Amino acid sequence: NAGVTQTPKFRILKIGQSMTLQCAQDMNHNYMYWYRQDPGMGLKLIYYSVGAGITDKGEVPNGYNVSRSTTEDFPLRLELAAPSQTSVYFCASTSGRTGELFFGEGSRLTVL
Amino acid sequence: EDQVTQSPEALRLQEGESSSLNCSYTVSGLRGLFWYRQDPGKGPEFLFTLYSAGEEKEKERLKATLTKKESFLHITAPKPEDSATYLCAVQSGSARQLTFGSGTQLTVLP
Repeated sequence: NAGVTQTPKFRILKIGQSMTLQCAQDMNHNYMYWYRQDPGMGLKLIYYSVGAGITDKGEVPNGYNVSRSTTEDFPLRLELAAPSQTSVYFCASTSGRTGELFFGEGSRLTVL
Repeated sequence: EDQVTQSPEALRLQEGESSSLNCSYTVSGLRGLFWYRQDPGKGPEFLFTLYSAGEEKEKERLKATLTKKESFLHITAPKPEDSATYLCAVQSGSARQLTFGSGTQLTVLP
């Protein structure tokens, strides 16, 4: 089982560039999430989705956008990258019944 | 606003030396408290869910307990392979998202 797949695993961006982090899950989960994790800090929620066509902001949404056109995919768009967006990004999904989240392996982004 | 505080930030144990990790939380109507394990360079991996005060869950050398204000993750006779960061998270009311603590980095020395 693939579970939650994130691409790319590593990326270096220049200030002002844009990019999309991809996330796909094959477990038919309705709920999907994007978190960022900075060194020594917990996971901060960026955006989440409770189903195709439905998204909502989390704790730290500024500088990011999402879309959810299918159940499987939940891409995260970074517009006009800034050094403050240097972080490790995790995508996660759940069926919603138990609250147990399944995480991808992360995408490490550096903005220089 | 939900809040989760984990202590200590880091813990070093000798193999076989039992200890506990603490997770204090403030939440309006606890729906669930979750423990995750995170290895370096990996995503968090689910360990336990606790729903109400007094509940306990066990898995190998780990046991999680819950009171109305905090949760403990007890590690009995740890081994080096138990070294990881342990994350605590809460879900409140009708919220569809979890709030995470900053984690405890556990190192077990052989």
